[in-house]
This record gives sequence, C-alpha cells and structure tokens, in this order.
Amino acid sequence: TQLLEQSPQFLSIQEGENLTVYCNSSSVFSSLQWYRQEPGEGPVLLVTVVTGGEVKKLKRLTFQFGDARKDSSLHITAAQPGDTGLYLCAGGHGNKLVFGAGTILRVKS
Amino acid sequence: NAGVTQTPKFRILKIGQSMTLQCTQDMNHNYMYWYRQDPGMGLKLIYYSVGAGITDKGEVPNGYNVSRSTTEDFPLRLELAAPSQTSVYFCASTNTWGNQPQHFGDGTRLSIL
Repeated sequence: TQLLEQSPQFLSIQEGENLTVYCNSSSVFSSLQWYRQEPGEGPVLLVTVVTGGEVKKLKRLTFQFGDARKDSSLHITAAQPGDTGLYLCAGGHGNKLVFGAGTILRVKS
Repeated sequence: NAGVTQTPKFRILKIGQSMTLQCTQDMNHNYMYWYRQDPGMGLKLIYYSVGAGITDKGEVPNGYNVSRSTTEDFPLRLELAAPSQTSVYFCASTNTWGNQPQHFGDGTRLSIL
C-alpha cells in the first residue's frame, strides 16, 4: 500500500506569515498533485508536478517535487485569510491517485 | 458548467438500509472515481471506472458496489448500511490518465445511525 504522509496536520498562522506544507512517501510517483478543499465542497486542483526537481509557482504559492519523485512541498508566502482551507497532496500511480491526509490551514487576520 | 453532480447532498440512513449515491458528469470523461473522506484520513478510493462497462476495486471496496452503464453516470450502491460507512463521499472524473486533474463533485454527507 502506498502512503503519502502530510505534515503538519494543522497550521494556524497570522496574516502575512510564510508557511510550508510537506508531503512525503517511500514510494515513487509518476506525478504529484496539490488540491485545495473548502468546507462543503470537493477538492480543486492547484498544480501538477511531474519531473523530479520541478518547481512551479502560482502567485504566492510555490510547489516543489523532490528529485526522487517521492516527496513534495507547498510554500505559501505572505499568507492571506483567503488561503484558509484543507490542502491535499495526491500521488499519481497508474490510473489512480493516492491522497495524503491533508493539512488544515487557518490564516487569521 | 455543471461538471460533476452528486445527489443527494445529505442523507441519514438506519443500519441495514440500502441506498444509491448518484454521480453524473457532463464532460465526456472516461475515468470516474468514488472516494470517501473521513476526518483526518484524507480521501480513500472505493471504486473506479476507466470507461463504460468497466469497473475496478479501489482501496476500501467492502460494503459497496458500482456500475457504469453509460459514460456520464457512475452510481455507488450501499446494500446493508453500517455505522462504519458514515462519511462524506466524493465522486470525481478525468478525461485521460496521465497528469490530468480530477474534477470533483461537492460530495454527499452520509450518516448511518
């Protein structure tokens, strides 16, 4: 069974602070996706990374895929209250995704 | 744009009852998935389908059944509801496997008492 471990499980920070969320596994994945989920809604894709060492930026969000394609990180610069939500990483394996347990982020104004 | 539509949004069942969770997508996607989401546990794959007439088990299929008679619909059936099946259920679809995003419905919150 492939597992993706996310850390931290919960993060509460002040507006303007920086943060990093980690997604680690002992398995190699063909791709790594990051989703954001708000209460009462389904997850929405933020980014897909496919190449080891790849870095993608989406405004204040920076995503990195580890060189060995076993881990990934999400860094948010100058967090805003609108960034509040559940962040999920998901590893691609064949025609399925393996999801981490998620990181709940709360940004206080 | 409708995308992936799930019904009902909420449901309370008694132990032993049966029900079908409906999922429809209008994007002509071949791949469809059913997940359950429990607090602190992420999304667990129940069943998936790579096209009409083809279904396969995921990580937690026990107590569930699916069918895929059309490209658009992928219903999930609970035959004998148990308290352990209390969860939020999400249906998702994608057009081709590779690195394409999965498009999720808004979920069905199911409580079994």
